[in-house]
Amino acid sequence: AQKITQTQPGMFVQEKEAVTLDCTYDTSDPSYGLFWYKQPSSGEMIFLIYQGSYDQQNATEGRYSLNFQKARKSANLVISASQLGDSAMYFCAMRERNTGNQFYFGTGTSLTVIP
Amino acid sequence: DSGVTQTPKHLITATGQRVTLRCSPRSGDLSVYWYQQSLDQGLQFLIQYYNGEERAKGNILERFSAQQFPDLHSELNLSSLELGDSALYFCASSDNYGTALNTEAFFGQGTRLTVV
Repeated sequence: AQKITQTQPGMFVQEKEAVTLDCTYDTSDPSYGLFWYKQPSSGEMIFLIYQGSYDQQNATEGRYSLNFQKARKSANLVISASQLGDSAMYFCAMRERNTGNQFYFGTGTSLTVIP
Repeated sequence: DSGVTQTPKHLITATGQRVTLRCSPRSGDLSVYWYQQSLDQGLQFLIQYYNGEERAKGNILERFSAQQFPDLHSELNLSSLELGDSALYFCASSDNYGTALNTEAFFGQGTRLTVV
């Protein structure tokens, strides 16, 4: 089974609007961490936000927030007030304690911000 | 700057050849991960090393091998190259094994390999 599932291959959003990128995960480990990365067309991988499995509150970092629904095993990324520079691939990733820090990545979602 | 250095940035080689990709992790990081990203694909995990020892293996072909040296830099060796091996190869590093879940993996800029 896939550890991380991103079902949206491509998304479009109007500039200044908010957008939600979906991510579901599969684990039986109670201790895990969830990450989102951005990959612009230049290719580098940029860390955006982290959510721990025991964190009570949703993580936020500037315009990025993580909508963490533990029972549903979902960790959606919300980008508020989209900017043209947000156009990129976005990857959701998970790390489990029992598998010793290996990172599992989803297949990514391509986001295009429309002016 | 993530602190992870990958060389070379670009590599063009012919089918059947062998290449070595190099990665220097962030200072203090003991874990090194290698990923392959083919065109329009996600990141395929290849292999992980921790402090010189192999810790996890993903979908790494038998033609590929890796190692981590005492100074913690790592090399990924790709041999008998095929056209389908053309991809962006990322190295990432992170901290201790099995402890700090909340530390992200820091990625290098990647090596873009083109096999012709």
